[in-house]
Amino acid sequence: AQSVTQLGSHVSVSEGALVLLRCNYSSSVPPYLFWYVQYPNQGLQLLLKYTTGATLVKGINGFEAEFKKSETSFHLTKPSAHMSDAAEYFCAASKGGGSQGNLIFGKGTKLSVKP
Amino acid sequence: DTAVSQTPKYLVTQMGNDKSIKCEQNLGHDTMYWYKQDSKKFLKIMFSYNNKELIINETVPNRFSPKSPDKAHLNLHINSLELGDSAVYFCASSQVPGQGYSGNTIYFGEGSWLTVV
Repeated sequence: AQSVTQLGSHVSVSEGALVLLRCNYSSSVPPYLFWYVQYPNQGLQLLLKYTTGATLVKGINGFEAEFKKSETSFHLTKPSAHMSDAAEYFCAASKGGGSQGNLIFGKGTKLSVKP
Repeated sequence: DTAVSQTPKYLVTQMGNDKSIKCEQNLGHDTMYWYKQDSKKFLKIMFSYNNKELIINETVPNRFSPKSPDKAHLNLHINSLELGDSAVYFCASSQVPGQGYSGNTIYFGEGSWLTVV
């Protein structure tokens, strides 16, 4: 069964520092991959997604992620953290359309940003 | 201009009660979903409807019954509420089922916080 693993339930960085949130997937077929952000008491917002093509994907708010098939990873990065980046981040995978198209989520990583 | 809207946002109710959460999307999408986020923030799909037809029904107690009167609405009715039903329920929608198509994004509502006491 497909699964998504996020290493580290809580990551803390200083403002201006590099943000690295890790995500690995377990699937015999590379899935489609996504990162969502959830701000406190709010819904999920799509940051970026990988379906096909370029393996380095740029998203909103300066985030990007790189799909590495050999490592079965899709880590999320941002060169310089901002206080407003503090939120919960979810990595998710999908095998595609139809009944297999639902999202499988990782358990989330809470990002804290220190001044 | 909320794309996916859910009501109520907060709901506190007693065990044994029956409650409904309503969801509407104004994006013209064909597919709608219900996801559950538990106390540990873990998100899991519950149901998916495409053109008012059920296409995904994960292992969910039959106390949970989704109803889709039209493509723009997917309501979630819960009978005989239990303490373990306390969670955040997210409605979502997409143009077609799943996210296997470039440009096909699943849009989430802001969630409904259900607390059963």
